[in-house]
Amino acid sequence: DIMMTQSPLSLPVTLGQPASISCRSSQSLLHSDGNTYLNWFQLRPGHSPRRLIYKVSNRDSGVPDRFSGSGSGTDFTLKISRVEAEDVGLYYCMQGTQWPRTFGGGTKVEIK
Amino acid sequence: EVHLLESGGGLVQPGGSLTLSCAASGFVFSRSHMSWVRRAPGKGLEWVATLSATTGNTYYADSVKGRFTISRDNSKNTLYLQMDSLRAEDTAVYYCAENWNLDFWGQGTLVTVSS
Repeated sequence: DIMMTQSPLSLPVTLGQPASISCRSSQSLLHSDGNTYLNWFQLRPGHSPRRLIYKVSNRDSGVPDRFSGSGSGTDFTLKISRVEAEDVGLYYCMQGTQWPRTFGGGTKVEIK
Repeated sequence: EVHLLESGGGLVQPGGSLTLSCAASGFVFSRSHMSWVRRAPGKGLEWVATLSATTGNTYYADSVKGRFTISRDNSKNTLYLQMDSLRAEDTAVYYCAENWNLDFWGQGTLVTVSS
Protein backbone atom coordinates (compact mmCIF):
# COMPACT_ATOMS: atom_id res chain seq x y z
CA ASP A 1 0.00 0.00 0.00
CA ILE A 2 1.11 3.58 -0.63
CA MET A 3 1.67 5.43 2.62
CA MET A 4 0.75 9.12 2.73
CA THR A 5 2.49 11.32 5.29
CA GLN A 6 1.16 14.79 6.03
CA SER A 7 2.72 17.61 8.00
CA PRO A 8 2.19 19.48 10.16
CA LEU A 9 -0.42 17.77 12.30
CA SER A 10 -1.67 21.15 13.52
CA LEU A 11 -1.32 24.52 11.81
CA PRO A 12 -2.23 27.67 13.78
CA VAL A 13 -2.37 30.62 11.38
CA THR A 14 -3.13 34.32 11.59
CA LEU A 15 -6.06 35.55 9.53
CA GLY A 16 -4.84 36.94 6.22
CA GLN A 17 -1.53 35.08 6.40
CA PRO A 18 -0.47 32.19 4.16
CA ALA A 19 -0.54 28.53 5.16
CA SER A 20 1.11 25.49 3.67
CA ILE A 21 0.53 21.76 4.16
CA SER A 22 2.93 19.08 2.99
CA CYS A 23 2.01 15.59 1.79
CA ARG A 24 4.55 12.92 0.91
CA SER A 25 3.87 9.50 -0.60
CA SER A 26 5.94 6.37 -0.06
CA GLN A 27 6.16 5.85 -3.81
CA SER A 28 5.60 7.89 -6.93
CA LEU A 29 1.98 8.77 -7.69
CA LEU A 30 2.61 9.02 -11.42
CA HIS A 31 0.09 6.68 -13.04
CA SER A 32 0.83 4.69 -16.19
CA ASP A 33 -1.70 6.91 -17.98
CA GLY A 34 0.57 9.91 -17.37
CA ASN A 35 -1.60 11.51 -14.67
CA THR A 36 -0.69 12.01 -11.02
CA TYR A 37 -3.76 11.33 -8.88
CA LEU A 38 -3.16 13.40 -5.77
CA ASN A 39 -6.24 14.99 -4.23
CA TRP A 40 -6.85 17.38 -1.34
CA PHE A 41 -9.99 17.39 0.80
CA GLN A 42 -11.43 19.77 3.37
CA LEU A 43 -13.61 18.81 6.34
CA ARG A 44 -15.40 21.60 8.15
CA PRO A 45 -17.83 21.27 11.05
CA GLY A 46 -21.41 21.34 9.83
CA HIS A 47 -20.45 20.75 6.20
CA SER A 48 -20.07 17.72 3.99
CA PRO A 49 -16.44 16.96 3.17
CA ARG A 50 -15.41 18.45 -0.14
CA ARG A 51 -12.61 17.97 -2.57
CA LEU A 52 -10.55 21.10 -3.16
CA ILE A 53 -7.87 19.93 -5.57
CA TYR A 54 -7.55 16.98 -7.95
CA LYS A 55 -4.61 15.72 -10.00
CA VAL A 56 -2.15 17.76 -7.93
CA SER A 57 -3.10 21.27 -8.98
CA ASN A 58 -6.62 21.42 -10.45
CA ARG A 59 -9.08 23.38 -8.34
CA ASP A 60 -12.61 21.99 -8.10
CA SER A 61 -15.52 24.16 -9.15
CA GLY A 62 -16.42 26.74 -6.52
CA VAL A 63 -13.14 26.46 -4.63
CA PRO A 64 -11.67 29.90 -3.92
CA ASP A 65 -8.50 30.71 -5.84
CA ARG A 66 -6.61 31.29 -2.59
CA PHE A 67 -6.26 27.48 -2.53
CA SER A 68 -3.55 26.01 -4.74
CA GLY A 69 -1.86 22.65 -5.10
CA SER A 70 1.56 21.79 -6.42
CA GLY A 71 4.12 19.02 -6.52
CA SER A 72 5.09 15.90 -8.41
CA GLY A 73 6.27 12.36 -7.87
CA THR A 74 6.17 11.88 -4.12
CA ASP A 75 6.15 15.42 -2.79
CA PHE A 76 3.05 17.64 -2.76
CA THR A 77 1.84 20.88 -1.16
CA LEU A 78 -1.47 22.58 -0.51
CA LYS A 79 -1.22 26.33 -0.05
CA ILE A 80 -3.73 28.87 1.19
CA SER A 81 -2.54 32.29 0.10
CA ARG A 82 -4.47 34.25 2.75
CA VAL A 83 -6.29 32.27 5.40
CA GLU A 84 -9.89 33.24 6.12
CA ALA A 85 -12.01 32.23 9.10
CA GLU A 86 -14.04 29.81 6.97
CA ASP A 87 -10.87 27.83 6.19
CA VAL A 88 -10.72 26.43 9.73
CA GLY A 89 -10.99 22.66 9.60
CA LEU A 90 -9.21 19.45 8.70
CA TYR A 91 -7.31 18.91 5.48
CA TYR A 92 -6.38 15.54 3.98
CA CYS A 93 -4.40 14.46 0.98
CA MET A 94 -5.32 11.20 -0.77
CA GLN A 95 -3.69 9.21 -3.53
CA GLY A 96 -5.91 7.85 -6.30
CA THR A 97 -3.18 6.18 -8.31
CA GLN A 98 -3.27 2.72 -6.77
CA TRP A 99 -5.65 0.47 -4.85
CA PRO A 100 -6.22 0.73 -1.98
CA ARG A 101 -6.81 4.46 -1.88
CA THR A 102 -4.90 5.93 1.04
CA PHE A 103 -5.18 9.21 2.94
CA GLY A 104 -2.68 11.28 4.82
CA GLY A 105 -3.19 11.58 8.55
CA GLY A 106 -4.75 15.03 8.30
CA THR A 107 -3.80 18.60 9.22
CA LYS A 108 -5.90 20.74 11.53
CA VAL A 109 -5.95 24.38 10.47
CA GLU A 110 -6.95 26.79 13.21
CA ILE A 111 -6.79 30.52 13.79
CA LYS A 112 -4.20 31.84 16.23
CA GLU B 1 -26.23 20.00 -8.51
CA VAL B 2 -24.85 16.74 -7.16
CA HIS B 3 -26.58 15.54 -4.01
CA LEU B 4 -25.74 12.45 -1.97
CA LEU B 5 -27.77 11.49 1.08
CA GLU B 6 -26.68 8.64 3.32
CA SER B 7 -29.02 6.79 5.67
CA GLY B 8 -29.22 3.59 7.68
CA GLY B 9 -26.72 4.33 10.42
CA GLY B 10 -27.38 3.52 14.04
CA LEU B 11 -26.38 1.45 17.05
CA VAL B 12 -25.59 -2.22 16.46
CA GLN B 13 -24.04 -4.90 18.65
CA PRO B 14 -20.66 -6.46 17.86
CA GLY B 15 -21.14 -9.27 15.38
CA GLY B 16 -24.29 -7.69 14.02
CA SER B 17 -25.18 -6.38 10.57
CA LEU B 18 -26.30 -3.10 9.10
CA THR B 19 -27.01 -1.81 5.60
CA LEU B 20 -26.26 1.77 4.63
CA SER B 21 -27.92 3.51 1.70
CA CYS B 22 -26.87 6.52 -0.34
CA ALA B 23 -29.49 8.25 -2.47
CA ALA B 24 -27.95 10.11 -5.39
CA SER B 25 -29.25 12.91 -7.59
CA GLY B 26 -27.97 15.62 -9.90
CA PHE B 27 -25.78 13.41 -12.07
CA VAL B 28 -26.01 10.26 -14.19
CA PHE B 29 -25.71 7.75 -11.36
CA SER B 30 -25.57 4.67 -13.60
CA ARG B 31 -22.39 5.98 -15.25
CA SER B 32 -20.60 7.01 -12.05
CA HIS B 33 -18.16 4.95 -10.04
CA MET B 34 -19.16 5.19 -6.38
CA SER B 35 -17.25 4.89 -3.12
CA TRP B 36 -17.64 4.66 0.65
CA VAL B 37 -15.25 6.40 3.05
CA ARG B 38 -15.36 6.48 6.85
CA ARG B 39 -13.99 8.50 9.70
CA ALA B 40 -13.75 6.95 13.14
CA PRO B 41 -14.09 9.25 16.19
CA GLY B 42 -10.88 11.19 16.68
CA LYS B 43 -9.26 9.50 13.68
CA GLY B 44 -8.58 10.36 10.06
CA LEU B 45 -10.34 9.44 6.86
CA GLU B 46 -10.26 5.82 5.67
CA TRP B 47 -11.33 4.67 2.23
CA VAL B 48 -13.64 1.64 2.54
CA ALA B 49 -14.83 0.47 -0.87
CA THR B 50 -15.44 1.45 -4.50
CA LEU B 51 -17.75 0.01 -7.15
CA SER B 52 -17.00 0.56 -10.80
CA ALA B 53 -19.92 1.69 -12.96
CA THR B 54 -18.41 0.26 -16.13
CA THR B 55 -16.96 -3.12 -15.16
CA GLY B 56 -18.85 -3.87 -11.95
CA ASN B 57 -15.50 -4.48 -10.28
CA THR B 58 -15.38 -3.90 -6.55
CA TYR B 59 -12.43 -2.78 -4.44
CA TYR B 60 -12.22 -3.06 -0.67
CA ALA B 61 -9.92 -1.98 2.13
CA ASP B 62 -8.27 -4.96 3.81
CA SER B 63 -9.93 -3.96 7.08
CA VAL B 64 -13.42 -4.70 5.68
CA LYS B 65 -12.75 -7.31 2.97
CA GLY B 66 -14.96 -10.34 3.42
CA ARG B 67 -17.31 -8.51 5.81
CA PHE B 68 -18.62 -5.54 3.80
CA THR B 69 -20.30 -5.59 0.39
CA ILE B 70 -20.78 -2.55 -1.84
CA SER B 71 -23.61 -2.66 -4.36
CA ARG B 72 -25.92 -0.37 -6.30
CA ASP B 73 -29.42 -0.19 -7.76
CA ASN B 74 -29.28 2.05 -10.82
CA SER B 75 -33.08 2.02 -11.14
CA LYS B 76 -33.26 3.70 -7.72
CA ASN B 77 -30.11 5.84 -8.04
CA THR B 78 -28.96 4.28 -4.79
CA LEU B 79 -25.65 2.93 -3.50
CA TYR B 80 -25.50 0.42 -0.63
CA LEU B 81 -23.00 -0.86 1.88
CA GLN B 82 -23.91 -4.16 3.52
CA MET B 83 -21.86 -4.48 6.72
CA ASP B 84 -21.66 -7.88 8.44
CA SER B 85 -19.68 -9.18 11.42
CA LEU B 86 -19.36 -5.64 12.72
CA ARG B 87 -16.63 -4.80 15.21
CA ALA B 88 -16.14 -1.95 17.62
CA GLU B 89 -13.44 -0.55 15.33
CA ASP B 90 -16.05 -0.13 12.57
CA THR B 91 -17.63 2.67 14.61
CA ALA B 92 -17.43 5.74 12.36
CA VAL B 93 -19.26 8.26 10.25
CA TYR B 94 -19.70 6.66 6.84
CA TYR B 95 -19.74 8.85 3.73
CA CYS B 96 -20.64 7.96 0.18
CA ALA B 97 -18.75 9.76 -2.56
CA GLU B 98 -18.92 9.99 -6.31
CA ASN B 99 -16.20 8.63 -8.55
CA TRP B 100 -12.75 7.06 -8.15
CA ASN B 101 -11.30 10.23 -6.69
CA LEU B 102 -14.21 11.22 -4.48
CA ASP B 103 -15.43 14.23 -6.44
CA PHE B 104 -18.52 14.87 -4.29
CA TRP B 105 -19.49 13.65 -0.82
CA GLY B 106 -22.63 13.22 1.24
CA GLN B 107 -23.03 14.48 4.80
CA GLY B 108 -22.46 11.05 6.32
CA THR B 109 -24.29 8.64 8.62
CA LEU B 110 -23.03 7.49 12.01
CA VAL B 111 -22.56 3.80 12.76
CA THR B 112 -21.90 2.83 16.37
CA VAL B 113 -20.88 -0.75 17.16
CA SER B 114 -21.25 -1.34 20.88
CA SER B 115 -22.86 -3.71 23.35
